[in-house]
Amino acid sequence: EVQLLESGGGLVQPGGSLRLPCAASGFTFNIYPMSWVRQAPGKGLEWVSAISGSGGSTNYADSVKGRFTISRDNSKNTLYLQMNSLRAEDTAVYYCARTVRGWYFDYWGQGTLVTVSS
Amino acid sequence: QSVLTQPPSVSAAPGQKVTISCSGSSSNIGNNYVSWYQQLPGTAPKLLIYENNKRPSGIPDRFSGSKSGTSATLGITGLQTGDEADYYCGTWDSSLNAYVFGTGTKVTVL
Repeated sequence: EVQLLESGGGLVQPGGSLRLPCAASGFTFNIYPMSWVRQAPGKGLEWVSAISGSGGSTNYADSVKGRFTISRDNSKNTLYLQMNSLRAEDTAVYYCARTVRGWYFDYWGQGTLVTVSS
Repeated sequence: QSVLTQPPSVSAAPGQKVTISCSGSSSNIGNNYVSWYQQLPGTAPKLLIYENNKRPSGIPDRFSGSKSGTSATLGITGLQTGDEADYYCGTWDSSLNAYVFGTGTKVTVL
C-alpha cells in the first residue's frame, strides 16, 4: 500500500525557515518523481515544486522560486521541502504527492499545516 | 490567478448528471494531458481522471473525462450525496514551465 506521510509543519514567523519531510512507503521510491502541492485556508490547490526520481531535475512555481528548495534522499525514501524567507502568503496545508510522467498525482499525503505569522 | 478556469459551483439532484468545464489555452490543455481531482471536505485530494479520460483502479465509471482543443470536461452521472466535494482540473503548462490547477468547482447534491 502506497503511503505518504508529511511532517514538520507548525507556526513560524515571517522571514523564518522550515523544513518539511515526507516519508514514503509501499512503492519503489527512486523511480518516481515527487511533488509538493499547497492549499491556503479556504483556497484552491497550488503546485509548488517537483523533483525527478534521481533528484537531478527540479521545477518550481514562480511564487516560491529562490526561496524554497525541493530535495530527496532515496536511501531514506524521504522527500523534503526547505522553505526559507517565509511570508504570510505561504500559510497553507502542504501535501506531498507521487507524480507520474505525463503529469498527474496519483497518491497524496494527508498534508501538514504551515502557518506564517508573528 | 489560475490559468485554468472552472465554474465556481454546480448542483443537481441525486441520480442526475453534472458536468464541470475546465478552460485553458494551447500552452496547457491544448498540448498536454489533463487530470481531475476530487477533494472531499477536510481531506487530501484524490485522483479521479488521468490522461484526459482514464480512470484509476477503484474509481467508478460514473466519473468520466474528455478533452477537446483547449478545454476539458469532467462528467459525473448518477450523482450521490457522497460526491459533494471540490473538483479540480490540472495540467502542465509548457509556457510557464509549471503545473497548473483549475480554480476549482464545488459540487452540491440538492
